[in-house]
Amino acid sequence: KAGVTQTPRYLIKTRGQQVTLSCSPISGHRSVSWYQQTPGQGLQFLFEYFSETQRNKGNFPGRFSGRQFSNSRSEMNVSTLELGDSALYLCASSAGGLYNEQFFGPGTRLTVL
Amino acid sequence: AQTVTQSQPEMSVQEAETVTLSCTYDTSESDYYLFWYKQPPSRQMILVIRQEAYKQQNATENRFSVNFQKAAKSFSLKISDSQLGDAAMYFCAYRSVTGTASKLTFGTGTRLQVTL
Repeated sequence: KAGVTQTPRYLIKTRGQQVTLSCSPISGHRSVSWYQQTPGQGLQFLFEYFSETQRNKGNFPGRFSGRQFSNSRSEMNVSTLELGDSALYLCASSAGGLYNEQFFGPGTRLTVL
Repeated sequence: AQTVTQSQPEMSVQEAETVTLSCTYDTSESDYYLFWYKQPPSRQMILVIRQEAYKQQNATENRFSVNFQKAAKSFSLKISDSQLGDAAMYFCAYRSVTGTASKLTFGTGTRLQVTL
């Protein structure tokens, strides 16, 4: 099976712009979770989507949003970018059950100038 | 809210030696999962080992084993016969089993260096 893929791998934006990141889960997986990784804050949970519905949300401002499509692919959007949004954004897919392992993608490195 | 603490920002081990990475956590739940993830410089997070809290037996995966002390809320990772490929960031993580929670709460990580 192909692993979790994330596009793009690298992205440079300027303050005030918006950005959309994409995550394609492992075939058959219905859950996609997003995490932000920064040197200062570490790994923080953003949100999780399961069968096109957000079922879990972390403590991030409303500028961070996401969605999931019927094929389980997920997108994450950040509007009005701030310098502090510079981070590695990781997505993880799983079958969706509580006991299912999460498999991580390689991440998208976002730099905000 | 659950918290995970890794008090060792960096560790170093010689090849073929054994190293133990520490992790403590705080929770009021009685059932949960604990994980160790490895993040090599390529950045892809890989699951190393998983422990279910209701299981008293410590999990093992080849050269990797854990020491799970539920009462002390401690979950350390032991790497035996260390190899150069073990060099990476290691993250301890917690996951609740209540509701539909799939959120992982991570520690700050321990950077492991393996020397010849």
